[in-house]
Amino acid sequence: NAGVTQTPKFQVLKTGQSMTLQCAQDMNHEYMSWYRQDPGMGLRLIHYSVGAGITDQGEVPNGYNVSRSTTEDFPLRLLSAAPSQTSVYFCASSYSDGNQPQHFGDGTRLSIL
Amino acid sequence: GENVEQHPSTLSVQEGDSAVIKCTYSDSASNYFPWYKQELGKRPQLIIDIRSNVGEKKDQRIAVTLNKTAKHFSLHITETQPEDSAVYFCAVNTGGFKTIFGAGTRLFVKA
Repeated sequence: NAGVTQTPKFQVLKTGQSMTLQCAQDMNHEYMSWYRQDPGMGLRLIHYSVGAGITDQGEVPNGYNVSRSTTEDFPLRLLSAAPSQTSVYFCASSYSDGNQPQHFGDGTRLSIL
Repeated sequence: GENVEQHPSTLSVQEGDSAVIKCTYSDSASNYFPWYKQELGKRPQLIIDIRSNVGEKKDQRIAVTLNKTAKHFSLHITETQPEDSAVYFCAVNTGGFKTIFGAGTRLFVKA
């Protein structure tokens, strides 16, 4: 049981490039979410999903796309990377009733030059 | 939308003292209040949580209190130890599967 697995762990991009951050969980959790963590700003919700085929926007969705074709996977796509998207990205999952703790991946540290 | 404020941003205590971190929220419909601990370079991990039908919950040296009328909740750590040094985040679930986090408190426990 690996929990929540994020890849890659580190990535450097140039402005304007696109890329996909991968997230997979093996706990059969319905709920998955993406956060970005910036110094002094805590964890801000980017997008979340309450099940396969269902996604919704969080606090800071601009510049990011998500899809949820399976229960296990929830990739985050940066469409055209900007320096303001330099951050640490965490994926999390939990059971579906909304009142359960989230299990986080190890994070992806992304730098955009 | 929900707004979560967390204070203080930095807290320094002597080993053995108590530490208290407070959070306020704005949405009265919020019903789940977890606390996460994040050590340097690692993932956030749940340390304790409380639901809206409970006023207080304890787990060994850690306790959380909730005042739904005033819309605030607090984390209490007693008999602090150097390994308690970390960043602590409060969070609020608004009932629609959105979890909003506070900005974090960096706790230093001096030996």
